[in-house]
Amino acid sequence: AQKVTQAQTEISVVEKEDVTLDCVYETRDTTYYLFWYKQPPSGELVFLIRRNSFDEQNEISGRYSWNFQKSTSSFNFTITASQVVDSAVYFCALSEARSHNTGNQFYFGTGTSLTVIP
Amino acid sequence: GAGVSQSPSNKVTEKGKDVELRCDPISGHTALYWYRQSLGQGLEFLIYFQGNSAPDKSGLPSDRFSAERTGGSVSTLTIQRTQQEDSAVYLCASRSPGQGAMYEQYFGPGTRLTVT
Repeated sequence: AQKVTQAQTEISVVEKEDVTLDCVYETRDTTYYLFWYKQPPSGELVFLIRRNSFDEQNEISGRYSWNFQKSTSSFNFTITASQVVDSAVYFCALSEARSHNTGNQFYFGTGTSLTVIP
Repeated sequence: GAGVSQSPSNKVTEKGKDVELRCDPISGHTALYWYRQSLGQGLEFLIYFQGNSAPDKSGLPSDRFSAERTGGSVSTLTIQRTQQEDSAVYLCASRSPGQGAMYEQYFGPGTRLTVT
């Protein structure tokens, strides 16, 4: 089963529109971390944000904001007043804090490709 | 400081040949991951190294794929008898010291492998 689901494969918006990228996760751990990464056309993945399972406060950074809701197991990412430079593939990821901590505990979603049209 | 580096950046090889891809993680990072990304696709987990523990090889697609990590630092991903379906970008990532789940991964620029 997918631990991280990004149901939106591709999104297109016109510049200056707001856009929300959805991320739904699945875990049995009580302690876990959620991440968003950006992969611009140049290809290199860039870390954007980390959130831990005990902190449900929304976070805003400039035009970016993140909404973490444990009740719906979601960690959505909103870009306000989108710009052409926001065009990229965005990945959501989950990291589980297993007590025995063996194996790979980092899971990526399949990504959402965002195109901002000028 | 220096980030994760990978070499070569591009590799074109003939079907059936072996290739080696190299990853230099951030100094001091004990966790290292290899991923494969086919054109327009997501990240496919291949293998995970954590310190001196046995690597998690659960993502390797076939026995033609193997990886080593020497001295807890540099890693080499080897693909034997390459096939055309091996064509993809191979990404390496490293993660902060310790085994804490809170640490993000830092990615290298990738190696674009083309098998002709």
